[in-house]
Amino acid sequence: DTAVSQTPKYLVTQMGNDKSIKCEQNLGHDTMYWYKQDSKKFLKIMFSYNNKELIINETVPNRFSPKSPDKAHLNLHINSLELGDSAVYFCASSQDQGVSEQFFGPGTRLTVL
Amino acid sequence: RKEVEQDPGPFNVPEGATVAFNCTYSNSASQSFFWYRQDCRKEPKLLMSVYSSGNEDGRFTAQLNRASQYISLLIRDSKLSDSATYLCVVNRGNQGGKLIFGQGTELSVKP
Repeated sequence: DTAVSQTPKYLVTQMGNDKSIKCEQNLGHDTMYWYKQDSKKFLKIMFSYNNKELIINETVPNRFSPKSPDKAHLNLHINSLELGDSAVYFCASSQDQGVSEQFFGPGTRLTVL
Repeated sequence: RKEVEQDPGPFNVPEGATVAFNCTYSNSASQSFFWYRQDCRKEPKLLMSVYSSGNEDGRFTAQLNRASQYISLLIRDSKLSDSATYLCVVNRGNQGGKLIFGQGTELSVKP
């Protein structure tokens, strides 16, 4: 059973397009996150939601819009894709928004041409 | 300066070697500390939490020095399967579970 799943695994698209990445967790966790790992392998948080409520909104372009329809799902929509958006995007979840362990999804490798 | 800094890699060691990774963090308000492991083209996975008293899990020992804001990971008797990137991670605890990652240290264990 996959605990945190993401789709798609790979995404190749042209500059200017709009795309979405979906994430689902079946762990019963309350908190979900989006992280971005750039070409230098540096992982940085983008957003977190706790029980469908936005908690963390780091300084990311407003072309990125997360959406949590329920606490098991956290999607990421990106408008007007740019070359610099190319990265691996990881979804994660944790029991709560404190210091509990975070479980990561397999990642979505986005390439913008 | 990055909030979490790690030894630059890569570390290339023979099987059976002992290897140590160091990490420093700059925010004294940090509350919890972890080592995550990331295999090539995979997601990060928790290796172990780090406590002030030090903790051990088999061949892995982690230490935290709050006064020096320093975290370490010691791997004894390295195995080929230990080859991965090791990420030092800090959680401030009061910011919604936000994890701050170091840039990672790559370990390559050779036969």
